[in-house]
Amino acid sequence: GAGVSQSPSNKVTEKGKDVELRCDPISGHTALYWYRQSLGQGLEFLIYFQGNSAPDKSGLPSDRFSAERTGGSVSTLTIQRTQQEDSAVYLCASTGEGGTQYFGPGTRLTVL
Amino acid sequence: AQSVTQPDIHITVSEGASLELRCNYSYGATPYLFWYVQSPGQGLQLLLKYFSGDTLVQGIKGFEAEFKRSQSSFNLRKPSVHWSDAAEYFCAVGLPGNTPLVFGKGTRLSVIA
Repeated sequence: GAGVSQSPSNKVTEKGKDVELRCDPISGHTALYWYRQSLGQGLEFLIYFQGNSAPDKSGLPSDRFSAERTGGSVSTLTIQRTQQEDSAVYLCASTGEGGTQYFGPGTRLTVL
Repeated sequence: AQSVTQPDIHITVSEGASLELRCNYSYGATPYLFWYVQSPGQGLQLLLKYFSGDTLVQGIKGFEAEFKRSQSSFNLRKPSVHWSDAAEYFCAVGLPGNTPLVFGKGTRLSVIA
């Protein structure tokens, strides 16, 4: 079946602009995660949605970052007033009952 | 807090040679353990996982990993490396169930003829 998809694959924006990154999880998966992969920092957890529970936002680096998940499926990660240090690859993963996370191809964000 | 250490940043092996990538974790109980591989410009692909049971787990592409509780290790092995195995390898740990993963910094594997 279809895997996790993310869009856009690449995004170039100017400092100070807002960006939205989209994640389509595997159908039927109840948990959805956002991670950030940047040089020198490796893979960092950002936010996690499980079913209808309140999201775990403990990994968000600042209040410029937010995410929502509509209808228990698609998720959007929003970064407001982007900064150059936000440049990274943003990865989404989803999980079914088994606890194994399946990752999308990522969105490469470049902030000029 | 959980942590994962991959001591080798970069490893170069000859095609056909054996491979072992090291992973050590710090956690109070036995976590779920994973190895992922990432090719340039791609997302993470799951190679194998350990939840419980047999401590030697088999994965895709001929990889295996052994969980050693006494050493808090989960090293990845392959008996004969192929040029297509050149990629970045990440070890990760998580709590049982659906929880965020903690990743190591990764080991970049280069394969030479």
